[in-house]
Amino acid sequence: EVVLTQTPGTLSLSPGERASLSCRASQTIRSGYLTWYQQKPGQAPRLLIYGASNRATGIPDRFSGGGSGTDFTLTINRLEPEDFAVYYCQQYGDSPSFGGGTRVEVK
Amino acid sequence: QVQLLQSGTEVKKPGSSVKVSCQASGDSLNTYAITWVRQAPGQGLEWMGGILPMFGRANYAQKFQGRVTITADKSSNTAHMVYMELSRLRSEDTAVYYCARVKRGDTFYDILTDQNYYYYFMDVWGKGTRVTVSS
Repeated sequence: EVVLTQTPGTLSLSPGERASLSCRASQTIRSGYLTWYQQKPGQAPRLLIYGASNRATGIPDRFSGGGSGTDFTLTINRLEPEDFAVYYCQQYGDSPSFGGGTRVEVK
Repeated sequence: QVQLLQSGTEVKKPGSSVKVSCQASGDSLNTYAITWVRQAPGQGLEWMGGILPMFGRANYAQKFQGRVTITADKSSNTAHMVYMELSRLRSEDTAVYYCARVKRGDTFYDILTDQNYYYYFMDVWGKGTRVTVSS
């Protein structure tokens, strides 16, 4: 089973700053199977990035993803008030799994 | 625009079972996989299993093997309803249960295997069903 470790657990930033979130896999995964989701309190997760670097429909270009092998990143440039949320990475191998999440909170 | 409509809140006793439904509105589920993800209070997301309604084949996370059953309604040619049943409930199963549609996207090239694969991602989610297990 692939274990995804997200760091940091919490990121305290101000609007307008850049957020860099990390997702590390316990073994190499195909980049095309790495996905990022955003979740706000009381809501279902929302698809942000698929295939490690492809923005989903309607996702602003301040969100970008990258990485390969075991190390992946989600970057949010110029944080907007609506970006403060929890972010999860997920891999879609034989047994899909999620990372533990990174909370992006207002500093 | 497809929506996934889930059944309502459930309160169950330990040792009992719960069956949560997920209905597609605006499209058939036939050509997609449906997956179930749960989230305990204050915790992260946990994949439970999924099904290809067209074939009726399901696969499950090891953690839930033997306790979870995911099925699709086959009463018509087009599947619009998927169910997730979790048995032998315990307090730790208290969570919000989500169904999500798994979309197969374009292909990508994997340099390590020199092969093309499809993207897979969960693009549409239900609003979740809260299940509370309490004596």
